[in-house]
Amino acid sequence: DAKTTQPNSMESNEEEPVHLPCNHSTISGTDYIHWYRQLPSQGPEYVIHGLTSNVNNRMASLAIAEDRKSSTLILHRATLRDAAVYYCILRDNNAGNMLTFGGGTRLMVKP
Amino acid sequence: GAVVSQHPSWVICKSGTSVKIECRSLDFQATTMFWYRQFPKQSLMLMATSNEGSKATYEQGVEKDKFLINHASLTLSTLTVTSAHPEDSSFYICSARDPVDEQYFGPGTRLTVT
Repeated sequence: DAKTTQPNSMESNEEEPVHLPCNHSTISGTDYIHWYRQLPSQGPEYVIHGLTSNVNNRMASLAIAEDRKSSTLILHRATLRDAAVYYCILRDNNAGNMLTFGGGTRLMVKP
Repeated sequence: GAVVSQHPSWVICKSGTSVKIECRSLDFQATTMFWYRQFPKQSLMLMATSNEGSKATYEQGVEKDKFLINHASLTLSTLTVTSAHPEDSSFYICSARDPVDEQYFGPGTRLTVT
């Protein structure tokens, strides 16, 4: 499985943008980059995904490096409800589409 | 988005007993469901892949006779923890894959074995 590397934790102030990095230097051409987040005592929640181009949705934006070896999840204005563990996951559509979770980044949001 | 439910949300059982956890896709049919386990402060670990109408595929190190998985319909998969012991206490999470290959997670079931 292609692996991802994320910082263990990050802090942000409320209402400020947050950039969550993810390195995936061994990504293959068929791997999609998925982001999920997990609030305390809940199951993971889908945030966003992309292949090559940057993506935007109502929750976040995903910026993908040109060589696809890294990506950044952008929360435009962090709220206290965004405090969660954010997981960057590579999903290979040619290998059963399983989601393999790494350590993730614990985002703490300060009021 | 699609909804996946789990029942119960939490359960306490005595050592040696068995516990069944249900995972349902409420508004879509799921030919494939996944079962994960998560210990405190750790990430999710895939236990098994459950395919409707066939045997589950277990990850390495997961005992199939201890964690019985049944996927009898397109909207229901069950995980039975047999002869539970305190070390089986964990947060069990299921997910279901919809017809366009997106995966949705249930809210999790917290199992405590005393």
